[in-house]
Amino acid sequence: DSGVTQTPKHLITATGQRVTLRCSPRSGDLSVYWYQQSLDQGLQFLIQYYNGEERAKGNILERFSAQQFPDLHSELNLSSLELGDSALYFCASSVGWGYTDTQYFGPGTRLTVL
Amino acid sequence: SQQGEEDPQALSIQEGENATMNCSYKTSINNLQWYRQNSGRGLVHLILIRSNEREKHSGRLRVTLDTSKKSSSLLITASRAADTASYFCATDGRGNQFYFGTGTSLTVIP
Repeated sequence: DSGVTQTPKHLITATGQRVTLRCSPRSGDLSVYWYQQSLDQGLQFLIQYYNGEERAKGNILERFSAQQFPDLHSELNLSSLELGDSALYFCASSVGWGYTDTQYFGPGTRLTVL
Repeated sequence: SQQGEEDPQALSIQEGENATMNCSYKTSINNLQWYRQNSGRGLVHLILIRSNEREKHSGRLRVTLDTSKKSSSLLITASRAADTASYFCATDGRGNQFYFGTGTSLTVIP
């Protein structure tokens, strides 16, 4: 158990809908990262927050947005969902924001868009 | 495009044998990390090697880094069935982004 929690575990929805994925980092960790893992794209870095501020941005679509709240939990919002958005979404956390920080991954949210 | 690519894509060995997987990347890095993922689960950090290091050990793991060739290798010695998983290399890159490779799927046959 990494100490990172993600909810929900599974999510099934229809195209065009909007969903919110939630992540609670390990106690004491200030950074939260979001990743998308699909069979054809591999593991893609989406975005990183550090202590409430956006720190780095990856291949995140404009239909997706994220935020980190004062209690350090984070939410990833996915809107106007398409079939291709079906994937495993992972959240990870680390103590700092830097390149040498170990990232601790949550169990993931499996999103299925029908 | 992906910063890192692992090779081979899949590897199947007998328990007790050594497993070697390689990672190549494209741009200069500050460090390289290896992660392991059991099927459908989150990734677990294995080891980090900094750009000024050439080799690092952790238990049955040995990682090498050749920055001139932009490549790294992960050696798992005396493999066990429990080592069956996918292994990813991860690098920092431009714009504070993190890049994961495509992964090597390792199967250790008991």
